[in-house]
Amino acid sequence: QSALTQPASVSGSPGQSITISCTGTSSDIGGYNYVSWYQQSPGKAPKLIIYDVTKRPSGVSNRFSGSKSGNTASLTISGLQAEDEAYYYCNSYTTTSTFWVFGGGTELTVL
Amino acid sequence: QVQLQASGPGLVKPSQTLSLTCTVSGGSISSGDNYWSWIRQPPGKGLEWIGYMYYTGSTYYNPSLKSRVTISRDTSKNQFSLKVNSVTAADTAVYYCARAGWSKDSSWYYFDYWGQGTLVTVSS
Repeated sequence: QSALTQPASVSGSPGQSITISCTGTSSDIGGYNYVSWYQQSPGKAPKLIIYDVTKRPSGVSNRFSGSKSGNTASLTISGLQAEDEAYYYCNSYTTTSTFWVFGGGTELTVL
Repeated sequence: QVQLQASGPGLVKPSQTLSLTCTVSGGSISSGDNYWSWIRQPPGKGLEWIGYMYYTGSTYYNPSLKSRVTISRDTSKNQFSLKVNSVTAADTAVYYCARAGWSKDSSWYYFDYWGQGTLVTVSS
């Protein structure tokens, strides 16, 4: 069982917006602004798309945005495109002995 | 541009030792404020952080694997390696090497470069 909780799947139609949640505790998400999100397409390595809760690396579309409230972080993808279909993983620093912790992953389907 | 490439045997017998090497180009593993990590992903499952080697050479492991894992490096080849002892079928996974680079905004570290991953199957 992953330390961060994500929904197993979400879906949306092209052009719509979706939000993926990631719930932790005060020992990780709630206590620090060290949240990141990764996009993983089938057979590929994960790709960093959000860091420091809200920031985007150079080259990542501004359709991706991140936020945090309390112990829950969220990834929003606006203007859904077919190419967004992938798995998304959240990650946070944690004061528990695991140092870094991932969520279980969310499969995004673009209908 | 930093590039990482993991390599090693794709099949390991139960109770034996899994050994992988990550070759890094475009950046030095012994300089710069970076953590060089191993992360694995069992088939159809999520990501699990295994451990890191800091650029100074210090290491830290996920407690769930700590008793069986060793990360080392060869700075002359710009490589870092992973060994997992006493493997079982539960260690079957795609193994990724990755760099956790420093964010100047927060002074924290994120997995900004990843290798392509290598599938290791534990089976007799």
